[in-house]
Amino acid sequence: DGGITQSPKYLFRKEGQNVTLSCEQNLNHDAMYWYRQDPGQGLRLIYYSQIVNDFQKGDIAEGYSVSREKKESFPLTVTSAQKNPTAFYLCASSMDASGANVLTFGAGSRLTVL
Amino acid sequence: KQEVTQIPAALSVPEGENLVLNCSFTDSAIYNLQWFRQDPGKGLTSLLLIQSSQREQTSGRLNASLDKSSGRSTLYIAASQPGDSATYLCAVRRDSSASKIIFGSGTRLSIRP
Repeated sequence: DGGITQSPKYLFRKEGQNVTLSCEQNLNHDAMYWYRQDPGQGLRLIYYSQIVNDFQKGDIAEGYSVSREKKESFPLTVTSAQKNPTAFYLCASSMDASGANVLTFGAGSRLTVL
Repeated sequence: KQEVTQIPAALSVPEGENLVLNCSFTDSAIYNLQWFRQDPGKGLTSLLLIQSSQREQTSGRLNASLDKSSGRSTLYIAASQPGDSATYLCAVRRDSSASKIIFGSGTRLSIRP
């Protein structure tokens, strides 16, 4: 079945540590996105990529980094510079970035800073 | 600046009722609007996508309407079932740019058996 796989599902981090969240898709989608979801709030865009080897900052990119070396993979690193990293992180993809296509989401990764 | 609002934040209705969820947006110049369902601790599942040129979309017991001039979209759920219990989010795309998608904070729906 085609879809988006996020791992790990749960992650605990000590302050000062970097962590990387994995996002893999087998939908052959060009565009991929990372969102952050906090309780009672809408999703906020961290980074997005429209094509391999290219990515753009979203609304809340500070303290995060990404790479897009392969079409199917878009890992997100939460660095120690992110002051409030505890949140639910969602990866999504779409056929392209034109906007006409639906967003498909992964199951999410919950990061907790101890 | 586009703002997307979903009121109420939570709703509880008995099984079998027809119900309407609301989504309001401040800027009528939108590209499309998408409704999602989110189960607790899970990702989002796309329900319906309405392009700016369309008035409504239907899928099974779900019907979504779009009125750009009034800045409103509604999601109609017919004959509600306990399995419909989830949080429903709407997202407005301002233009074809990948970064211009604004999400509402959702309505948490509970269907009582």
